[in-house]
Amino acid sequence: NAGVTQTPKFQVLKTGQSMTLQCAQDMNHEYMSWYRQDPGMGLRLIHYSVGAGITDQGEVPNGYNVSRSTTEDFPLRLLSAAPSQTSVYFCASSRDAAYGYTFGSGTRLTVV
Amino acid sequence: AQTVTQSQPEMSVQEAETVTLSCTYDTSESDYYLFWYKQPPSRQMILVIRQEAYKQQNATENRFSVNFQKAAKSFSLKISDSQLGDAAMYFCAYDGVGETSGSRLTFGEGTQLTVNP
Repeated sequence: NAGVTQTPKFQVLKTGQSMTLQCAQDMNHEYMSWYRQDPGMGLRLIHYSVGAGITDQGEVPNGYNVSRSTTEDFPLRLLSAAPSQTSVYFCASSRDAAYGYTFGSGTRLTVV
Repeated sequence: AQTVTQSQPEMSVQEAETVTLSCTYDTSESDYYLFWYKQPPSRQMILVIRQEAYKQQNATENRFSVNFQKAAKSFSLKISDSQLGDAAMYFCAYDGVGETSGSRLTFGEGTQLTVNP
């Protein structure tokens, strides 16, 4: 099925470890973005991309890196995990805001 | 910066009745998009309805409709004939137009809707 695929679905990290959350879409969408969801705070934008090779910071970018070498993939890297990064992470893609966003199923990350 | 506020952390409704979820936003832009997303316990984010600010007519999708008041910067969601499957967290969200449109959603805090049988 066409859509946004996120892996892994669950992950436990130790403080200081690094990891990459994977996000791939097969809809040829130019726009992709990463959000974190914390209780009582909705979803907050971490990083976004308007096309291959173009990325920029969102509201809460500290501690995260992204790159976009292809239209399909938009991985999110945690450089040195901290307990404050315990959250649910969502990747989204869009053809254009007029068509809405398609979200992945999320990754629940726990940092101990 | 744009902000989105949902002032009702929790709402409940009886099955088959109607409920309205509130959302207000702040922006200096004249054109933009507004969305309601549903998040059931499965965690999946599901688009419920979208509204383009330049369109005066309120959007409708089956049992879901919005009351878009541009001057008041209000965007409420009405769910008619509520069903048990409507129970979920509902998020109001904003996106602008221009170069980054489609890549930067601003969300409200969410409203947890309970549907009572």
